[in-house]
Amino acid sequence: DVVLTQTPLSSPVPLGQPASISCRSSQSLLYSDGNTYLSWLQQRPGQPPRLLIYKISNRFSGVPDRFSGSGAGTDFTLKISRVEAEDVGVYYCMQATQFPHTFGQGTKLEVK
Amino acid sequence: QVQLVESGGGVVQPGRSLRLSCAGSGFTFSNYGMHWVRQAPGKGLEWVAVIWYDGSKKYYVDSVKGRFTISRDNSKNMVDLQMNSLREEDTALYYCAREGSGAFHLWGQGTMVTVSS
Repeated sequence: DVVLTQTPLSSPVPLGQPASISCRSSQSLLYSDGNTYLSWLQQRPGQPPRLLIYKISNRFSGVPDRFSGSGAGTDFTLKISRVEAEDVGVYYCMQATQFPHTFGQGTKLEVK
Repeated sequence: QVQLVESGGGVVQPGRSLRLSCAGSGFTFSNYGMHWVRQAPGKGLEWVAVIWYDGSKKYYVDSVKGRFTISRDNSKNMVDLQMNSLREEDTALYYCAREGSGAFHLWGQGTMVTVSS
């Protein structure tokens, strides 16, 4: 199975400052069709997950442009350019290149 | 509006069965692969199963193989998860999710399954 390792696991960030979360895969996530099926999700407290980014860097509909994704192969990053109060929650990376699909452990973002 | 609504959760004893359902609305259900994802209390997300848009393929995480079965009825816009031989470690909030471009674009609110004697 593909193991996704997120760092940090917890991130206190001052309001208005940038944040960055890393996701490292145990195997390349490049699929035979040329796509890399690595996505990022946000889960606010008490809410279901919400898709932010798909295929490494594509922002999902309605997601603010302060969220961006980058990376290739086995190393991926989610960046928030300026953290806002509503960004509090847990962030997960997820791979859908192989079965079973797998998630990272989650990174808890706190705003201070 | 576009949504997924799960139902069927509850409290069940170990070894018993439960059937979860997920109803889709506001979109062409038969165009999408559908997944079940679970989240144990206070824990992270775990992918459980997928069924292809036409029901032709199904995949499961190893821990549920042989015990859980995913199915769908496109005429009713429903996807089900039949869970047999339940274990305490199956206790979780179960979400259904719609796939698009290799990601989960749409999630339901979840239905809670508690396995306890």
